[in-house]
Amino acid sequence: QQQVKQSPQSLIVQKGGISIINCAYENTAFDYFPWYQQFPGKGPALLIAIRPDVSEKKEGRFTISFNKSAKQFSLHIMDSQPGDSATYFCAASEGEGNTGKLIFGQGTTLQVKP
Amino acid sequence: NAGVTQTPKFRILKIGQSMTLQCAQDMNHNYMYWYRQDPGMGLKLIYYSVGAGITDKGEVPNGYNVSRSTTEDFPLRLELAAPSQTSVYFCASKNSNTGELFFGEGSRLTVL
Repeated sequence: QQQVKQSPQSLIVQKGGISIINCAYENTAFDYFPWYQQFPGKGPALLIAIRPDVSEKKEGRFTISFNKSAKQFSLHIMDSQPGDSATYFCAASEGEGNTGKLIFGQGTTLQVKP
Repeated sequence: NAGVTQTPKFRILKIGQSMTLQCAQDMNHNYMYWYRQDPGMGLKLIYYSVGAGITDKGEVPNGYNVSRSTTEDFPLRLELAAPSQTSVYFCASKNSNTGELFFGEGSRLTVL
C-alpha cells in the first residue's frame, strides 16, 4: 500500500518556468509534510516543510501548497533554474516528536532546460 | 562538519555473502534510520532506532539486521545477500527539535 503517492515521475521545464509536483496521502494522522531535494550521487536534503495548520508556506522560489480536505500537497518552484535539476521527494510522518518515521513518495526527476 | 558518514560507498557482493554497511553521525541525534532507494520506488524504511539499545523494523526489514550500541553508530547487516538487495542504501539521523533528517551520501550495493 503506497501511503504517499507522488506525480509526475519526471518533469521537464524551461528555465524561468514554474515546476509543479503533486503528492497525495491516505493517513489522516499525518501531521508533517516535508519535501526533500536530491542531487545525483548525494543523499536527500530537506528543502521545505509544512504542517497542516497552514495552507501555504513559501521560502524563496519554493512554495508548498497544502489542501487538508483533499489530502494533497504540492511543491511549486517559481522561476525554475538549471541548478534546480534534481530528484524531489515528498514525504509525510505522524508525530514529529515521536519516532518521526518518514514515508516517502516515489520521487520526481526534474530537468530544467537552459 | 562530518554529519552522517556511510561506508563503503560502493560494494559488489556475490549471492549468499554477508556484509555490514557502516553509518556514523556526529550530531548527537537519538533517532537514526536506514532507507533503501530503488528507481521509481522512492525511499523505503528498513530499520530505525530511537536511541542506543533500541531498534525496530520499518517497511522492508526482511534480509537485514541492525544494532545500536552507541548513539553515534548504526550499522546495517545483510545476511545471505540476494539480487533483490541490489540498491542504494541511505543512513539518516534526525534532529528531534526540528524533525529534519540528515542523510549520508549513500552506499551503492550490487549483488551478483
